[in-house]
Amino acid sequence: EVQLLESGGGLVQPGGSLRLSCAASGFTFSIYDMSWVRQAPGKGLEWVSAISGGGGTTYYADSVKGRFTISRDNSKNTLYLQMNSLRAEDTALYYCTKVTIHLGGLPYFDYWGQGTLVTVSS
Amino acid sequence: SYELTQPPSVSVSPGQTARVTCSGDALPKQYAYWYQQKPGQAPVLVIYKDSERPSGIPERFSGSSSGTTVTLTISGVQAEDEADYYCQSADSNGTYYVVFGGGTKLTVL
Repeated sequence: EVQLLESGGGLVQPGGSLRLSCAASGFTFSIYDMSWVRQAPGKGLEWVSAISGGGGTTYYADSVKGRFTISRDNSKNTLYLQMNSLRAEDTALYYCTKVTIHLGGLPYFDYWGQGTLVTVSS
Repeated sequence: SYELTQPPSVSVSPGQTARVTCSGDALPKQYAYWYQQKPGQAPVLVIYKDSERPSGIPERFSGSSSGTTVTLTISGVQAEDEADYYCQSADSNGTYYVVFGGGTKLTVL
């Protein structure tokens, strides 16, 4: 059974930093892209960042480029999101997702964690 | 930036057919994916590659594509189908990994 367990969320002041983690199990972690998707309170889904299975290729939404860094440790089956220079608009529930890409298709998110809440406020 | 446009809300009576649309310029060239999100829960994939249904998703969920619009159809809507629905795709140039639509709240009257 695929399980994704996020941690590391909390309250942080504007301009501060936070590191999210996602412990994965139930699948061969190292061969799948992984991604973070966030959802601000009462708002829709926003894709944030993704990383290839080997960790060599990363992708970022314009809204977080230059401030957030995605990484992974395949020996620990763990995904990370380092968030710096946080802003009030980064307040959201952050979901860790497993990515699947069918031949000729686009990346999509077939498994989701329950999310970890990040609140940026003074 | 690339945008996918969904109606904010759709209402339907139980047993009727609900249709949720998603529009985007690149949809003739890119597949669409649909997620269902119930309150307090993580999203669940209900349709992939425009019209394919993952295992475990009821047959009443179907997807279709026509030009710049894709449609999620729920036939014989049940009260448990009340949820937010999001489409997901990408722009034609691959500028963005993926993009989500703004979401549609389906209300079962």
